Amino acid sequence: GAVVSQHPSWVICKSGTSVKIECRSLDFQATTMFWYRQFPKQSLMLMATSNEGSKATYEQGVEKDKFLINHASLTLSTLTVTSAHPEDSSFYICSATRTLNTGELFFGEGSRLTVL
Amino acid sequence: LAKTTQPISMDSYEGQEVNITCSHNNIATNDYITWYQQFPSQGPRFIIQGYKTKVTNEVASLFIPADRKSSTLSLPRVSLSDTAVYYCLVGDSPLSGGATNKLIFGTGTLLAVQP
Repeated sequence: GAVVSQHPSWVICKSGTSVKIECRSLDFQATTMFWYRQFPKQSLMLMATSNEGSKATYEQGVEKDKFLINHASLTLSTLTVTSAHPEDSSFYICSATRTLNTGELFFGEGSRLTVL
Repeated sequence: LAKTTQPISMDSYEGQEVNITCSHNNIATNDYITWYQQFPSQGPRFIIQGYKTKVTNEVASLFIPADRKSSTLSLPRVSLSDTAVYYCLVGDSPLSGGATNKLIFGTGTLLAVQP
């Protein structure tokens, strides 16, 4: 089956620093990737849609300058949390759909960010 | 995008059949219904997808009535390892000619399976 891998799986950083999370589709090409964040005991919240070679589309209320998304290739999308603060601490999850997709989204394992 | 409503939680015992119902009154003609399972600190995992009537795979069945305003995920003979959050999602899918496969997660149903 299709595999989506995220790295790092967890990261701890100091307030004010920037953190980059990678999302890779390991065995398929993904023209579209989605980024979600999830707080404890809450559902996933869609942050943005990332399309290869073009600017990401952000959901309402998500600061594009705070959460930088780059989808430079068909197998890699990155989310950079800039000037992270404790309230940015969350579980970040990416998902990808195949180029010739079946309607199924493949999710990464998630990345837990803790900002001190 | 159609909004979904599910029970917040359900309890069951090992070996029982569990049925989780989801309401999606505003489902559009092109929308598919997809169910995902999520364990703590993991990404969601695809369970099943359908458009109408009944779909069955190796892990679950999905029942969709003719009006498509609701759907029921059926898990046969659950085990302790089926304890998880189950999400019902409605959205466009390339299978129906949709272009984005964009899915919005609702609250989900926390299924607790006891021995």
